[in-house]
Amino acid sequence: EAGVAQSPRYKIIEKRQSVAFWCNPISGHATLYWYQQILGQGPKLLIQFQNNGVVDDSQLPKDRFSAERLKGVDSTLKIQPAKLEDSAVYLCASSLEFGYEQYFGPGTRLTVT
Amino acid sequence: SQQGEEDPQALSIQEGENATMNCSYKTSINNLQWYRQNSGRGLVHLILIRSNEREKHSGRLRVTLDTSKKSSSLLITASRAADTASYFCATDATGNQFYFGTGTSLTVIP
Repeated sequence: EAGVAQSPRYKIIEKRQSVAFWCNPISGHATLYWYQQILGQGPKLLIQFQNNGVVDDSQLPKDRFSAERLKGVDSTLKIQPAKLEDSAVYLCASSLEFGYEQYFGPGTRLTVT
Repeated sequence: SQQGEEDPQALSIQEGENATMNCSYKTSINNLQWYRQNSGRGLVHLILIRSNEREKHSGRLRVTLDTSKKSSSLLITASRAADTASYFCATDATGNQFYFGTGTSLTVIP
């Protein structure tokens, strides 16, 4: 079974630039999550999709972050414009349904200079 | 703020010893999960315990859940160097909100 795929693995941008991350979840998984993990902290949930609908985006900084999950499969997370404090690892995870175990991708390490 | 907090923040033990880490959370939950994160394999699910369960085992792992105290513990028996990692509890709060804790950094010395 193929795991959760993410790209790119690393990205370096200057502040005020924009960036996009892509996630392909495990086939058949209805729930998809995007997390932000700052060094030394636990992952923070940014947004959660159930199929192609948003279930929880209460911690997503909506003035600069956006995410979509077209056709209930792949998902993209965008930051525009980026700030220095956005430097973190962005993790994508999927699960069969909400409340089931989550499978994580390798993450994208973003550095904003 | 995050839902869960792990205690201790860091733990160092000798190989073969047992390691215990605790998690406290703030609101009612549907279930609680434990994850491990190391540089080699990223975040990996270890065990899930539902709110109506009190104890669960998986290999060398034993998890307990006390919903009256809003706390859980993870016991790793006969630790190995490969168990060196950060361990996070994660709660599935009612209202479909999911939170990770702050993590315990475990070092197992060969």
